[in-house]
Amino acid sequence: AQTVTQSQPEMSVQEAETVTLSCTYDTSESDYYLFWYKQPPSRQMILVIRQEAYKQQNATENRFSVNFQKAAKSFSLKISDSQLGDAAMYFCAYRPSGGGADGLTFGKGTHLIIQP
Amino acid sequence: NAGVTQTPKFRILKIGQSMTLQCTQDMNHNYMYWYRQDPGMGLKLIYYSVGAGITDKGEVPNGYNVSRSTTEDFPLRLELAAPSQTSVYFCASSRGYTQYFGPGTRLTVL
Repeated sequence: AQTVTQSQPEMSVQEAETVTLSCTYDTSESDYYLFWYKQPPSRQMILVIRQEAYKQQNATENRFSVNFQKAAKSFSLKISDSQLGDAAMYFCAYRPSGGGADGLTFGKGTHLIIQP
Repeated sequence: NAGVTQTPKFRILKIGQSMTLQCTQDMNHNYMYWYRQDPGMGLKLIYYSVGAGITDKGEVPNGYNVSRSTTEDFPLRLELAAPSQTSVYFCASSRGYTQYFGPGTRLTVL
């Protein structure tokens, strides 16, 4: 079974600085997808960024980028120019690419605090 | 386009009561999912569906039932509520590999 590990229960960063959230995963699959979801206090799950394992290029969405290291099974999220609105729980998630309706496997999350 | 909607937003049940959590999506997605999120944890898959009339168990299906009579709706049924089912429940849908989530239902069983 796949597992997703987020080793940082909580991170704190000053506004406008850069922060990196860590995620490692375990799988025997060669092709899969990885995601970062943001969950603000409203509890809505918001997709931040996604990465296809077959793509070597790291995904980027505005101030959010990932460092995908397939051999190390590592998928970290970098948030640049942190803003107060970035404060939330961040979840790393995995799903295989079998083409079916596979559910997501989530980590336990990292609580990100933005210091003004 | 409302996306994925869930009702109710909050509910308190007594032990042994039954209820149905409603989920509707207007994106014409074939795949739908139910997850639960316990405090301090990530989401865990309860049930999923690949289309009308087809459902299957996820990681934590015990104590729940689902049905899928239409593409749009995927209700989750709790027959005999137990305190262990106190959680936040999320419905999601997808066509491809990206899942889109509803706002969640916070359920407390006392």
